[in-house]
Amino acid sequence: DIVMTQTPLSSPVTLGQPASISCRSSQSLVHSDGNTYLSWLQQRPGQPPRLLIYKISNRFSGVPDRFSGSGAGTDFTLRINRVEAEDVGVYYCMQVTQFPYSFGQGTKLEIK
Amino acid sequence: EVQLVESGGGLVQPGRSLRLSCTASGFTFGDYGLSWVRQAPGKGLEWVGFIRSTAYGVTTEYAASVKGRFTISRDDSKSIAYLQMNSLKTEDTAVYYCTRGQGGGGAHWFDPWGQGTLVTVSS
Repeated sequence: DIVMTQTPLSSPVTLGQPASISCRSSQSLVHSDGNTYLSWLQQRPGQPPRLLIYKISNRFSGVPDRFSGSGAGTDFTLRINRVEAEDVGVYYCMQVTQFPYSFGQGTKLEIK
Repeated sequence: EVQLVESGGGLVQPGRSLRLSCTASGFTFGDYGLSWVRQAPGKGLEWVGFIRSTAYGVTTEYAASVKGRFTISRDDSKSIAYLQMNSLKTEDTAVYYCTRGQGGGGAHWFDPWGQGTLVTVSS
């Protein structure tokens, strides 16, 4: 099974400043079809998860362009260009390449 | 509007069964696979299982923690997916979300997510 490891687990950020979350998989997420199925999700307090990024770097519909994803193979990063108050919550990476699908532990983004 | 609504949660004793429903609207339900994901109180997300669409054989995948106890099924005529949970344990206590898969038979990204339904397993 693929284990997903996120760092940091907590990230205090000043409004307007950038934030970065890393996610590492225990094995390559390259699918047999050549795609890499790594998603990022946001969970605001009291809300269900919401898809932000899919296939490493594709922003989902309606996601602000201050969110971006990058990486390859086993190492991936979510960046928030300029953090806004509404970005507070927990961010999860999720591998959807191989069953059983799996999530990182979550990174709590909070405002300093 | 594409929407998923979970129902059927509640308090259940260890060893008993419960069936959750995920009712879809706003899209052609039969064209999509669906996953169930759970979140224990104050904890992270845990993938539970997945059911493919009819086009991909309505086959299922499960996490090791629930395999043999949980069963996912679907009724495309009603736009409902089910999670049958048997032999429940206290560690199954969680909010259960359903989510629609996209990107092919294995469904390689998931949106939208329902609001979730809380299952509490306790004596």
